[in-house]
Amino acid sequence: DAGVTQSPTHLIKTRGQQVTLRCSPKSGHDTVSWYQQALGQGPQFIFQYYEEEERQRGNFPDRFSGHQFPNYSSELNVNALLLGDSALYLCASSLVRGTGDTEAFFGQGTRLTVV
Amino acid sequence: AQSVTQLGSHVSVSEGALVLLRCNYSSSVPPYLFWYVQYPNQGLQLLLKYTTGATLVKGINGFEAEFKKSETSFHLTKPSAHMSDAAEYFCAVSGGGYQKVTFGTGTKLQVIP
Repeated sequence: DAGVTQSPTHLIKTRGQQVTLRCSPKSGHDTVSWYQQALGQGPQFIFQYYEEEERQRGNFPDRFSGHQFPNYSSELNVNALLLGDSALYLCASSLVRGTGDTEAFFGQGTRLTVV
Repeated sequence: AQSVTQLGSHVSVSEGALVLLRCNYSSSVPPYLFWYVQYPNQGLQLLLKYTTGATLVKGINGFEAEFKKSETSFHLTKPSAHMSDAAEYFCAVSGGGYQKVTFGTGTKLQVIP
């Protein structure tokens, strides 16, 4: 079982550019959540996708958008990058259907640096 | 609304000593509680979780935590620290189901030989 995989692992972008991060959930999971972890901080919830729809959203601007595909994989898009968007972006997958147990499995993250 | 407060951003213990990392939570619904560990440049690994039932929860690597509703606490303990326990630890809370997970700011554990 491959677990949660994220790509790329590292990324450097210029202020004002756009970026797409990708996540493949753990086998059998149907829900993907994205978190932003700034240096020295705990992860902050960005949004969650279930059945290809955004189910919940944290306190992030519309520059942050996402998508979930029929195979449950997901993308996080960030437009008009700011220096403050530099962070580790974590993807977590879980299985909601059925028991509703939300044990979330995290990927290794994508380290985004905006210069 | 939910929130987590981790007391102490840095904790140092000697190898072989007791590890105690403190976490208090706030939740408007019965909480699901978690402890995660993060090693440098890594993602998060679940140590243990409380959902319902027994309030003393045992996790991986010898860690355990006790849910105390009256104190709104979920402190993490380990009887004897190992050098390999040096990492950052995050306490987190969720409302269960598909609810989002809210994390604390983390506690960095240093183990002194």
